[in-house]
Amino acid sequence: DTEVTQTPKHLVMGMTNKKSLKCEQHMGHRAMYWYKQKAKKPPELMFVYSYEKLSINESVPSRFSPECPNSSLLNLHLHALQPEDSALYLCASTRGAGVTEAFFGQGTRLTVV
Amino acid sequence: GENVEQHPSTLSVQEGDSAVIKCTYSDSASNYFPWYKQELGKGPQLIIDIRSNVGEKKDQRIAVTLNKTAKHFSLHITETQPEDSAVYFCAPPGSGAGSYQLTFGKGTKLSVIP
Repeated sequence: DTEVTQTPKHLVMGMTNKKSLKCEQHMGHRAMYWYKQKAKKPPELMFVYSYEKLSINESVPSRFSPECPNSSLLNLHLHALQPEDSALYLCASTRGAGVTEAFFGQGTRLTVV
Repeated sequence: GENVEQHPSTLSVQEGDSAVIKCTYSDSASNYFPWYKQELGKGPQLIIDIRSNVGEKKDQRIAVTLNKTAKHFSLHITETQPEDSAVYFCAPPGSGAGSYQLTFGKGTKLSVIP
């Protein structure tokens, strides 16, 4: 199983809503990532979890709150988002904190209205 | 961190022709050089990678070449097919503490015209 599964695939939320994005992998990878991708741009790193501990937070606003309940799961909790937060949110995983192939999920297309 | 430049930003080729995309990086200690393909509506997927102890690597119609002296690596696609149409990213992670953190180039949108 070389898949990273993200749910939901699409999400529309209002600026006062609270929602969560979910990501799951069963490859035994110990590093997991959240990226944000705007249209026609490359993915931008948001957070990195290594061995279930947050190791990188790329100055992301507090309305985005990551969580890593165990080594297979990664969540991104969303609260009080702005329309400019609309984007494709990608989850990825790697075997560890080293230079190796990253496996990406299909992403969650988020629209904030 | 790693500074990455990728060229061209768009590339149109006739089916059957070759395509070449170049990526320049700044960290001379980098030792891993991957290329990712992103199709519409999907996440990026690794298509080929090379490590610094090798100058060239081939996988069927796809190859990557590395010039460590000049600090650039290139993606070569031969006998292009319509399904090669996608956005391609180089993403060298650099070295040091952030070395598992991919630094994406701006991307190249490849269009293969049937």
